[in-house]
Amino acid sequence: GIQVEQSPPDLILQEGANSTLRCNFSDSVNNLQWFHQNPWGQLINLFYIPSGTKQNGRLSATTVATERYSLLYISSSQTTDSGVYFCAVSNFGNEKLTFGTGTRLTIIP
Amino acid sequence: KAGVTQTPRYLIKTRGQQVTLSCSPISGHRSVSWYQQTPGQGLQFLFEYFSETQRNKGNFPGRFSGRQFSNSRSEMNVSTLELGDSALYLCASSFLQGLEAFFGQGTRLTVV
Repeated sequence: GIQVEQSPPDLILQEGANSTLRCNFSDSVNNLQWFHQNPWGQLINLFYIPSGTKQNGRLSATTVATERYSLLYISSSQTTDSGVYFCAVSNFGNEKLTFGTGTRLTIIP
Repeated sequence: KAGVTQTPRYLIKTRGQQVTLSCSPISGHRSVSWYQQTPGQGLQFLFEYFSETQRNKGNFPGRFSGRQFSNSRSEMNVSTLELGDSALYLCASSFLQGLEAFFGQGTRLTVV
């Protein structure tokens, strides 16, 4: 099945810093989503981005499908951005989501 | 518009018992998927239902089963619970397979 790798596994930043999270995947995809898992466990949708670039406030994401990677950018980090960020993908004919192992982001005041 | 609703939120069961978890998808969504999250294995796919039919199944033992009703609500059942079944169980719904999935708040199951 498709493999998903996220990097870095852990990231500790000062409030106000910018960060880039990376997701590599091993096959062509028809769905790529970025999630933020809140402290209570719920996965919050950030982006649905199988290709191209999207922005939502301080967050933006880019997926280069031909090179099989996606990047999540967080600018001017706030303490509320802390948590685990997951990338998940699915591919044609097998539409289950395969998750990466996540990036744990800690923002220090 | 209401999101994905999972009940119950928390559950404590004894080894050997069985448990049923419920998921109500977003109105109009016909695809419902279930995932298990544990510290050791991460997020793993359990099964996916579309129009009351199981379309895809993950690599879990037969003790894990599910179903979907005509109103798209779904239930998953775990029989003969083991300590290793302790996990966060997440349900997701999407309008169609392969489109953006939205997750519920999860059911945290503890087996003692």
